[in-house]
Amino acid sequence: EVQLVESGGGLVQPGGSLRLSCAASGFTLSNYWMHWVRQAPGKGLVWVSRINSDGSSITYVDSVKGRLSISRDNAKNTLYLQMNNLRVEDTAVYYCARGSHWFDTWGQGILVTVSS
Amino acid sequence: DIVMTQSPDSLAVSLGERATINCKSSENILYSSNKKNYLAWYQQKPGQPPKLLIYWASTRESGVPERFSGSGSGTDFTLTISSLQTEDVAIYYCQQYYNAPYSFGQGTKLEIK
Repeated sequence: EVQLVESGGGLVQPGGSLRLSCAASGFTLSNYWMHWVRQAPGKGLVWVSRINSDGSSITYVDSVKGRLSISRDNAKNTLYLQMNNLRVEDTAVYYCARGSHWFDTWGQGILVTVSS
Repeated sequence: DIVMTQSPDSLAVSLGERATINCKSSENILYSSNKKNYLAWYQQKPGQPPKLLIYWASTRESGVPERFSGSGSGTDFTLTISSLQTEDVAIYYCQQYYNAPYSFGQGTKLEIK
């Protein structure tokens, strides 16, 4: 079964850091572009970042540039999102998703709460 | 950046009736070299991740019921549910993948009348 499972979320103070992981199973991660998408409580979907199959091409939405960093370890079948200098407005459920264009597989999501 | 705008924000339709959701992009998302519209539709139910319904504006994902269809080209797109079922109650999002940053519409909440 194709599956994505996020971990690493939780409560963090403003200015703090977290590292999210997304473990892939049932398929070979190295064959796919991967993305992070977030959803603030009660709000819509916001695309955050993408990384190509070998990690050589990365793009971010402007609001997270310089603070969030996407990476991958294909040998471990895992996608990451390093989140630094977190702000209250980064509070959201973070989803990892698979696909070059559209997203055909999503994780269940992990909640990140930034609050003092 | 491309802005996606959906209408309406919410919609109530009777069971068995047609539901229509619109999505407008701020720029043309039809790629001239392959004549494909870089647009997808997703369904999200409470407490669940989004589920892919349609890509290339009109291609149904495997396993998606035939009552779901997508149409449109260029900047104007439509998701149609031909005969609303109880299980279709959800929020629907369009998404462009023509250019990064990829962007979603704000969502349309579909309910039973």
